[in-house]
Amino acid sequence: KQEVTQIPAALSVPEGENLVLNCSFTDSAIYNLQWFRQDPGKGLTSLLLIQSSQREQTSGRLNASLDKSSGRSTLYIAASQPGDSATYLCAVRPVAGTASKLTFGTGTRLQVTL
Amino acid sequence: EAQVTQNPRYLITVTGKKLTVTCSQNMNHEYMSWYRQDPGLGLRQIYYSMNVEVTDKGDVPEGYKVSRKEKRNFPLILESPSPNQTSLYFCASSFIPIAETLWNEQFFGPGTRLTVL
Repeated sequence: KQEVTQIPAALSVPEGENLVLNCSFTDSAIYNLQWFRQDPGKGLTSLLLIQSSQREQTSGRLNASLDKSSGRSTLYIAASQPGDSATYLCAVRPVAGTASKLTFGTGTRLQVTL
Repeated sequence: EAQVTQNPRYLITVTGKKLTVTCSQNMNHEYMSWYRQDPGLGLRQIYYSMNVEVTDKGDVPEGYKVSRKEKRNFPLILESPSPNQTSLYFCASSFIPIAETLWNEQFFGPGTRLTVL
């Protein structure tokens, strides 16, 4: 059974720092991995999607990497801002079972302080 | 604007009183799904639908029903809610690719916070 882990569960950094969020998964047989942002009282916003054949994706200050063989993905946030404060979730789409289903980690709650 | 909408956004109800949470998407997506989010457990899939009149159970379907009579709508029905169904519920949708290796982004609604007393 695919399990997705995100460590740390919470992180606080001062504004301007570069930071890395980690996501690990137990079964490397995945179609893709998606990073989301969740704000309190709001839904999930898709940030980046990495297909299994790709190694990284970039969008603005965000860069996500995927090492499928080791079961790891990282989300790099450059020059963090208070507006980046949110919970970040990663989700994999496993090959086994129903390909339409995403398996989520429990998230990293990020706080960027002034 | 392309979006997934859910109603209501917040609901407090009592044990046993039937309720429906609506979900609608305007992107002509074939695939729709319901998840629930609980502290420490992440998001878990309740039911999903690959197209009109095609639905199937996810990981935690007990106590829930769904229907897909129209492509854009996928309501979640709790026939007899219980306190353990207190949770944050998300509806999601996406296109179904021509090959399984081509699955793309899932789009999520804003969530419905349900409290069952």
